[in-house]
Amino acid sequence: DAMVIQNPRYQVTQFGKPVTLSCSQTLNHNVMYWYQQKSSQAPKLLFHYYDKDFNNEADTPDNFQSRRPNTSFCFLDIRSPGLGDAAMYLCATSREASAIEQYFGPGTRLTVT
Amino acid sequence: QKEVEQDPGPLSVPEGAIVSLNCTYSNSAFQYFMWYRQYSRKGPELLMYTYSSGNKEDGRFTAQVDKSSKYISLFIRDSQPSDSATYLCAMSASGYNKLIFGAGTRLAVHP
Repeated sequence: DAMVIQNPRYQVTQFGKPVTLSCSQTLNHNVMYWYQQKSSQAPKLLFHYYDKDFNNEADTPDNFQSRRPNTSFCFLDIRSPGLGDAAMYLCATSREASAIEQYFGPGTRLTVT
Repeated sequence: QKEVEQDPGPLSVPEGAIVSLNCTYSNSAFQYFMWYRQYSRKGPELLMYTYSSGNKEDGRFTAQVDKSSKYISLFIRDSQPSDSATYLCAMSASGYNKLIFGAGTRLAVHP
């Protein structure tokens, strides 16, 4: 089945220790998104890639970076995680930037100790 | 004030009940209105979307948009235990704009 895969599903990191979350897709979609979803809150868009074109949200902290080495993979790097970065991180894709439907992965739950 | 407001619930109903889930919004530029369903430990999945005002029906689900009141609803008829999930509304001003999500309403349908 074509899908969006996120690894790992659960990640524990220490305060200040860099961490990388991974997303891959078999849908061959042009757009990939990273969202942060804290408990009982709305998913918040951090950034997205349209093909190789990176688009950062204005309020995304510099601590968050992303890489998309090819169509299938996208990574979220948190350079110095703080306790406030503990959240579910959702990766999503859409066929085009104008597409209404976004396909979400199962998320990675990040714990910062 | 948040752009999109949604009652977090939880909403607990018996099987077979009609469920009404709602969102209000403040940005009159929103044109696309979506409902996503999120099961526990899973990512959201799109249930249905509407463009501008009006109703849209898909099986047991009906989405309703009232732009004059900035109010959208999702109705679930003959609710089933498998409908137990968090329902998130989402909106955008155009197909090229980012989605703005509500925080979600947790629904529990008990047998």
